[in-house]
Amino acid sequence: QQQVKQSPQSLIVQKGGIPIINCAYENTAFDYFPWYQQFPGKGPALLIAIRPDVSEKKEGRFTISFNKSAKQFSLHIMDSQPGDSATYFCAASMSNNNDMRFGAGTRLTVKP
Amino acid sequence: NAGVTQTPKFRVLKTGQSMTLLCAQDMNHEYMYWYRQDPGMGLRLIHYSVGEGTTAKGEVPDGYNVSRLKKQNFLLGLESAAPSQTSVYFCASSSAGSNRGYTFGSGTRLTVV
Repeated sequence: QQQVKQSPQSLIVQKGGIPIINCAYENTAFDYFPWYQQFPGKGPALLIAIRPDVSEKKEGRFTISFNKSAKQFSLHIMDSQPGDSATYFCAASMSNNNDMRFGAGTRLTVKP
Repeated sequence: NAGVTQTPKFRVLKTGQSMTLLCAQDMNHEYMYWYRQDPGMGLRLIHYSVGEGTTAKGEVPDGYNVSRLKKQNFLLGLESAAPSQTSVYFCASSSAGSNRGYTFGSGTRLTVV
C-alpha cells in the first residue's frame, strides 16, 4: 500500500520553465514532508521540507505548496536549469515513528 | 567530511549466497536506516536503528538482517540471496529521527543471478 502517491512519473520542460511535481498522502498523522533530489549514481539529498502548519515554503528557486485539507503538496522549480535535471522524491513521516514513506519519484529533464 | 559511506558500491551474487553491506557515518547521528530503491517504487525502508545496539523492522524486512554494534556503523546482511533482492540499497542517517532530513550514502547496486 503506497501511502504517498507522486505524479508525474517523468517531466520534460524547457530551460526557464516551471516544472511542478505533485504528491498526495493518505495518513493524516504525517507531520513532516520533505523533498529529495537524486542525481544518477548518487544518493538522494534533502532539498526542502515543510510542516503542515504552513501553506508554502520557499528556498531559492524551490517552493513547496501544501494543502492540508486536500492532503496534497507540490514542488515548484522556478526558472529551471539543465542542472536541475534529476529524479525528485517526495516523502512523508510522522514524529512518533521512524518510517518515512517515499513517493515513486519523478524524473525531470530540463532541456537547454 | 565523508558523511555516509557505503561499501561495496557494486556486487553480483549468485542465488543462495550471503553478503553484508556496510554503512558508516561520521556525523555522530543516532538514527540509521537501510532502504532499497526499485524502479517505480521509490525507496522502501528495510530496517532501521534508533541507537547503538537497537534495531527494528521497516516496511520490507523479510530476507534481511541488520546489526548496529557501534554507533557509527549499520550493517545489512543477506543470508541467502534471491533474485528479488536485486536492487539499489541506500543507507541513511539522521540526528533526530524521521522528523528531520536524512543524509544518504551513494548506494550499493546489488544484482542476484
